[in-house]
This record gives sequence, structure tokens and C-alpha cells, in this order.
Amino acid sequence: NAGVTQTPKFQVLKTGQSMTLQCAQDMNHEYMSWYRQDPGMGLRLIHYSVGAGITDQGEVPNGYNVSRSTTEDFPLRLLSAAPSQTSVYFCATRDRAYGYTFGSGTRLTVV
Amino acid sequence: GDSVTQMEGPVTLSEEAFLTINCTYTATGYPSLFWYVQYPGEGLQLLLKATKADDKGSNKGFEATYRKETTSFHLEKGSVQVSDSAVYFCALSEGGSSNTGKLIFGQGTTLQVKP
Repeated sequence: NAGVTQTPKFQVLKTGQSMTLQCAQDMNHEYMSWYRQDPGMGLRLIHYSVGAGITDQGEVPNGYNVSRSTTEDFPLRLLSAAPSQTSVYFCATRDRAYGYTFGSGTRLTVV
Repeated sequence: GDSVTQMEGPVTLSEEAFLTINCTYTATGYPSLFWYVQYPGEGLQLLLKATKADDKGSNKGFEATYRKETTSFHLEKGSVQVSDSAVYFCALSEGGSSNTGKLIFGQGTTLQVKP
């Protein structure tokens, strides 16, 4: 049982490049979300989804796109990376008892 | 909107010392409250949770009580170990009919325990 799998674990991008952070889960959880973690600011919600085909914005959505075509996958897209997007990104799912499971994170550096 | 405030760190303690990390929240409705722990280089793990007023969450010697009257959820441990060194996050999930499942985090408190 893998839980929540995030890929890649590390990534370096140049300003203006695009990339997709992958998140996959095998627990059949309807709810999935993306957070970014920055020093001294805790984790801030970027986007979330309550089920396939349904997504919504969180606290800091600008510069990020998401889609949810299947229950299992919830990719996060950076269309034109900026140095301000240097951060650690976490994907999380939630079960019906409001238990959250986090992935191990993707450390992104934009130069 | 809802928010969580934690005491600033870092907190440095000697092994076997008593730990308190303060957490207060602002929320409409009746949120669920959580403490998560993040060990170096790892993701977040649930440490404990409480879903209603006066509930006490406990795990691995850590405890926290949901205090609605003071809007607090302070984390305590009677005797810390070096292996408890980590970053601790207080968080809330909106409750009742407004529950969108979103977790709102405090800024995190770094704990360092010295032998």
C-alpha cells in the first residue's frame, strides 16, 4: 500500500520553464490537495479537489493549475516558473473520517 | 477567515524536560484540531487530533486538549527525548456545514532536544 506518491522528489527549473508535479494515491480518497511549505509560514493551500472533475482554489493559487480526471491522480502544473515558486510542495488526501495522508514532498528550486 | 497561531521557535530543551508548544485558533463553527510532526527530510505525520470541545488527543506521550473557551490546543509532553526533535505544526479543519476539508496550518515550531 503506497499511500500518496509524489514525483519527482527534487527538481531545479529555470525561470519561465514549465513542469508538472505528480501526485498519485491508491486509497480511493475523494479529497486531494496541494500545499506549499515555506520557512516561517507553515503550509499554505494551493488547490484542492473534492472528487474527479472538481477542483477549487486555495489560499495561494496564482501561477498554478490543476485538473482531476481520475480519483487516483492530481497533478500540479507550473506554466511559467518564477523564483517565488521555490518551495517544498506536498500533496495530501483525506478520508471520510477526516484523516489526512501526506506525500513525502517535492523540493523545487527555480533559478 | 480561519487561522492558527503557534508560538515561535526554535524551542531548545534538554532531554527529559517538559514540553509545551502553544497553539491558538480563530474559526467560525466547530473545527477539528490537529498536531502534525515533520522529521528532517520527511513529510508530515499526524501526531494527534481532537474533533470537539474538551476532547484530549494523545499519542507517543504527547497530549493536547481542545479548549473552546480559550480557543487553544496546546501540545504537551512530560519528558522529551532527542528523537522528538522535529518541526511541529498545529492545524485546524473547518467544521460543520462549512467543512470543505481544507487544513489550515500554523507556521510551525522547531523543537531541538539536546542530550
